[in-house]
Amino acid sequence: GENVEQHPSTLSVQEGDSAVIKCTYSDSASNYFPWYKQELGKRPQLIIDIRSNVGEKKDQRIAVTLNKTAKHFSLHITETQPEDSAVYFCASLGQDNYGQNFVFGPGTRLSVLP
Amino acid sequence: DAGVIQSPRHEVTEMGQEVTLRCKPISGHDYLFWYRQTMMRGLELLIYFNNNVPIDDSGMPEDRFSAKMPNASFSTLKIQPSEPRDSAVYFCASSWDIANTEAFFGQGTRLTVV
Repeated sequence: GENVEQHPSTLSVQEGDSAVIKCTYSDSASNYFPWYKQELGKRPQLIIDIRSNVGEKKDQRIAVTLNKTAKHFSLHITETQPEDSAVYFCASLGQDNYGQNFVFGPGTRLSVLP
Repeated sequence: DAGVIQSPRHEVTEMGQEVTLRCKPISGHDYLFWYRQTMMRGLELLIYFNNNVPIDDSGMPEDRFSAKMPNASFSTLKIQPSEPRDSAVYFCASSWDIANTEAFFGQGTRLTVV
């Protein structure tokens, strides 16, 4: 089945700097890669996603890149702000014996220091 | 729509007791997922349903765990008997379909088994 790795596990940046979180996946048939942000004590919420037919997608300060050949995708946050502090999860829609299902990475705890 | 609704928000129970977690998905969503979140293991998919039918329960840890979806607007996750290692946050999520669409998460149930 699908295996998703995520790095780094923790990341501290100064306010205004950029943050990059990287994920790798194992199932070459995976075709949908969402990123979720989870603030302390709250539910995960989708912030951006990318499908396998594009290499990059941007939404204001957030961008995601996908390299299907290398089977990795990355989240880029520019001009970070304290409210960006949260745990970020990548996910991959993979295939197993039962059909498709989401596999989440272990998460990255981002701290934006004022 | 109020989003995915879970109850209770918090549950404290004694080891050996039965625990039932409840979820109401977003109306019209055909997929419902149950996740468990712990510090050690991150977000784990326990089971998911499509049109009220369990599709993949390979993530259910033991026979002590069971899940049902008697109709399109209600699902339960039951643990009987509960154990301290079951302590976690349990999330329910729903989506239109499993491919290329966002999964909306409920606020979660924080379960503590003492």
